[in-house]
Amino acid sequence: KQEVTQIPAALSVPEGENLVLNCSFTDSAIYNLQWFRQDPGKGLTSLLLIQSSQREQTSGRLNASLDKSSGRSTLYIAASQPGDSATYLCAVRSWGTSGSRLTFGEGTQLTVNP
Amino acid sequence: DTGVSQDPRHKITKRGQNVTFRCDPISEHNRLYWYRQTLGQGPEFLTYFQNEAQLEKSRLLSDRFSAERPKGSFSTLEIQRTEQGDSAMYLCASSKTRYGANEQFFGPGTRLTVL
Repeated sequence: KQEVTQIPAALSVPEGENLVLNCSFTDSAIYNLQWFRQDPGKGLTSLLLIQSSQREQTSGRLNASLDKSSGRSTLYIAASQPGDSATYLCAVRSWGTSGSRLTFGEGTQLTVNP
Repeated sequence: DTGVSQDPRHKITKRGQNVTFRCDPISEHNRLYWYRQTLGQGPEFLTYFQNEAQLEKSRLLSDRFSAERPKGSFSTLEIQRTEQGDSAMYLCASSKTRYGANEQFFGPGTRLTVL
């Protein structure tokens, strides 16, 4: 059974700081990995999707990396802004009979202080 | 707005009542997913459809839960005889099957409170 863990559970940083969010998963047989953002009481916004054959993806100030063999992914946020404050969720899509479901971590709650 | 939509956004009900939620996926997306999220946790998979066929159901989907997608477009999720433990955010997502991606896009969710 795939399990996804995100560290830290919460993070508070001053505006302008670069930061890294971590995600680990127990089964390396994944199809892809998605990073999402969730604002309080809202749905999920897809940020980046990395295929299992890829090492990283970039979108603006966001960069996500994937090391499938070690079961790890990181989300790097450059020059953080107060508007980046949200919960960031990592989710993996695994191979096999449950291959279409996403398995989520519990998220990292990020606060960027002005 | 061409994103995933869900209705209602909030539902308050008394224990034992039945509730039904609706999800409209992104146009031309053939896959539709339901997830449940409780406070402080990540979403948990409930079920998914490819077109009108329900292809997978989680063990979380007890016999009080039923989902349909009759014409391969919108979907409904019904909970019968609601219990307080059903209180959660119910999220719908859709994706378009194509080789190498299947990125899931989520709706705003329906917040259910069972009193």
